[in-house]
Amino acid sequence: QVQLVQSGAEVRKPGASVRVSCKASGYTFTHNYIHWLRQAPGQGLEWVGRINPNSGDTKYAQKFEGRVSMTRDTSISTAYMELSRLRSDDTAEYSCAIEYKYYAMDVWGQGTTVTVSS
Amino acid sequence: SYELTQPPSVSVSPGQTATITCSGDKLGDKYTCWYQQKPGQSPVVIIYQDNKRPSGIPERFSGSNSGNTATLTISGTQAMDEADYYCQAWISSTVVFGGGTKLTVL
Repeated sequence: QVQLVQSGAEVRKPGASVRVSCKASGYTFTHNYIHWLRQAPGQGLEWVGRINPNSGDTKYAQKFEGRVSMTRDTSISTAYMELSRLRSDDTAEYSCAIEYKYYAMDVWGQGTTVTVSS
Repeated sequence: SYELTQPPSVSVSPGQTATITCSGDKLGDKYTCWYQQKPGQSPVVIIYQDNKRPSGIPERFSGSNSGNTATLTISGTQAMDEADYYCQAWISSTVVFGGGTKLTVL
């Protein structure tokens, strides 16, 4: 079955960077954009950006431009999101998702908790 | 930047119709979708392309989009529908979410 499996929880100090991975299985990795989203505790969904796994082309939300980098390794069907210069308000659950069957994010990873604390 | 506005909360009695709105400039010109999120779970798409339901989503969920407002309607609301609901649209190759609406069934 189509599945996105993310890396485990991370704790970082302010100013540091974090990289989260998203391993895809059950479909052709290069066929579907991978989106990254986040949700701070008790808050709503926020789109961080997306990567085209086929070309490596990326599009980021303006808010994260200059601080986020999305990459992929097609040999292991894995996408990565790196967020730098972390602040306490970056504490959130980060999720990857794809538009697999519908024109919407219909397959989600399990989420990765990133905690930024001194 | 583009914003989608949802009411923070909506309450409905079981069996009644719940309506959740999502407003944005000329939103009717863009495709929208709706997600349901229950505590501790990932969002689930319940409406895509304004008014289409993915397989497995009950018929009581319906959507529309015109002018500046997209609407999610839940007919015959059940206790299990209590959740947070988010609208989402594609804006110039980016994705924008509404702030979310907490639906209470009481």
